[in-house]
Amino acid sequence: AQKVTQAQTEISVVEKEDVTLDCVYETRDTTYYLFWYKQPPSGELVFLIRRNSFDEQNEISGRYSWNFQKSTSSFNFTITASQVVDSAVYFCAGLYNNNDMRFGAGTRLTVKP
Amino acid sequence: EAQVTQNPRYLITVTGKKLTVTCSQNMNHEYMSWYRQDPGLGLRQIYYSMNVEVTDKGDVPEGYKVSRKEKRNFPLILESPSPNQTSLYFCASSETIRLTQYFGPGTRLLVL
Repeated sequence: AQKVTQAQTEISVVEKEDVTLDCVYETRDTTYYLFWYKQPPSGELVFLIRRNSFDEQNEISGRYSWNFQKSTSSFNFTITASQVVDSAVYFCAGLYNNNDMRFGAGTRLTVKP
Repeated sequence: EAQVTQNPRYLITVTGKKLTVTCSQNMNHEYMSWYRQDPGLGLRQIYYSMNVEVTDKGDVPEGYKVSRKEKRNFPLILESPSPNQTSLYFCASSETIRLTQYFGPGTRLLVL
C-alpha cells in the first residue's frame, strides 16, 4: 500500500535548537516523488522541496536540510537553529503511480522564544 | 502574479443545499486537484484532472463532483452536503502530475 507516515504529531523546541521531522514512506513503485510542505498559522501550504526516487542526494537550503534514504524509506527534514517563524505544521507527501498523492498526517512544530 | 484562487474562502451551509467551490489558476497548468484537510489525517485527495475533460477519483471522492471544461478552472461540487463534509478544502495545480503542486489559499466549509 502507498503510504506516508509522520509519527511525530507535535514537537516543541526552544529557539536556536535543531529539530528533525521524521517521514517514512511505503511503496512498491520504483519511480515516485517525495515532497515537504509547510503550513504556517495563516493556513496556506508552502512548497519546500521535491525529490524523485532516483535522486538520493541530500539537500541543504539555508537552515533547512533533507535526508533521503531509500534503505530506510525515510525522507527526514532538519531545521538548524530554529526560529519562532518556523512554527507551523509540516507535511511530508509522496506521489505514486503518477497519480496517487498521499500526505502524512503532519507534524506541528512549535518554536518557543 | 502566478496563483491559484479559490472562492469562497469561508462557507457555512446546511445539509442538503448544493454548493460549488470554484478554483482557478493562471499558470496554464494541465494538472489540477482537490484535497480536504482534516485534523490527524493530513490532506486527502478528492479528485484530480490531468487535462481538460479528463478527471479521475482520488482517495475520498464520495459525495463530491468535479468538472474540467476549461484548463484554468476546476470547480468542486457538493450536490447534497452533509456534516461529515465539514473540512478545509484545498485546490492545487501543477504543469504535470510529476511536478510540484501549488496550492490555493483554502476554503473552510461548515455544514450544519
